[in-house]
Amino acid sequence: KQEVTQIPAALSVPEGENLVLNCSFTDSAIYNLQWFRQDPGKGLTSLLLIQSSQREQTSGRLNASLDKSSGRSTLYIAASQPGDSATYLCAVNDSGYSTLTFGKGTMLLVSP
Amino acid sequence: GAVVSQHPSWVICKSGTSVKIECRSLDFQATTMFWYRQFPKQSLMLMATSNEGSKATYEQGVEKDKFLINHASLTLSTLTVTSAHPEDSSFYICSARVRGLALYSQQTQYFGPGTRLLVL
Repeated sequence: KQEVTQIPAALSVPEGENLVLNCSFTDSAIYNLQWFRQDPGKGLTSLLLIQSSQREQTSGRLNASLDKSSGRSTLYIAASQPGDSATYLCAVNDSGYSTLTFGKGTMLLVSP
Repeated sequence: GAVVSQHPSWVICKSGTSVKIECRSLDFQATTMFWYRQFPKQSLMLMATSNEGSKATYEQGVEKDKFLINHASLTLSTLTVTSAHPEDSSFYICSARVRGLALYSQQTQYFGPGTRLLVL
């Protein structure tokens, strides 16, 4: 059974810092991996989706990498802003048509 | 595009009552919808997969008689929590998979804003 772990569970940084969020998964035979953002009491917003054949995806200040063989992904946020404060969730899709397995998330707080 | 709505956004009810939550895909057809539950500081846990016109598939440990799912159309799925109890208090989120021809579009799930349920 796939298990997804995210570290750290919480992170607090001053505005402007670059930061890295980590995600690991136990079964490397994934179809794709997705990073989401969740604001308090809200639903999920998809940030980046990386196919198993890809190494990274970029969107603005966000860059997600994938090392499928080692079962790891990182989300890099450049020049963090207070508006980036949220919980970031990592989810893996094992077979394309299967369901997503989520990690518990990393709660990020960016202070002005 | 690809907006998913949920109604209500929050609900408070007395123990023993039933609560219905609606999940709608507003601008696309969804052959498959998923229902998740999220407890505080926990991950989203899949409860069931709902396919239009057929019975839902429940995850292990989820009581199908307690959590009734109806996917009557390509744009609407409902989750009914029957005889709700305080331990059912949680954040319920649905997602919808876009119906399309391209493989990539079939992978993509779009999430609703969630429904917070508090059972007193």
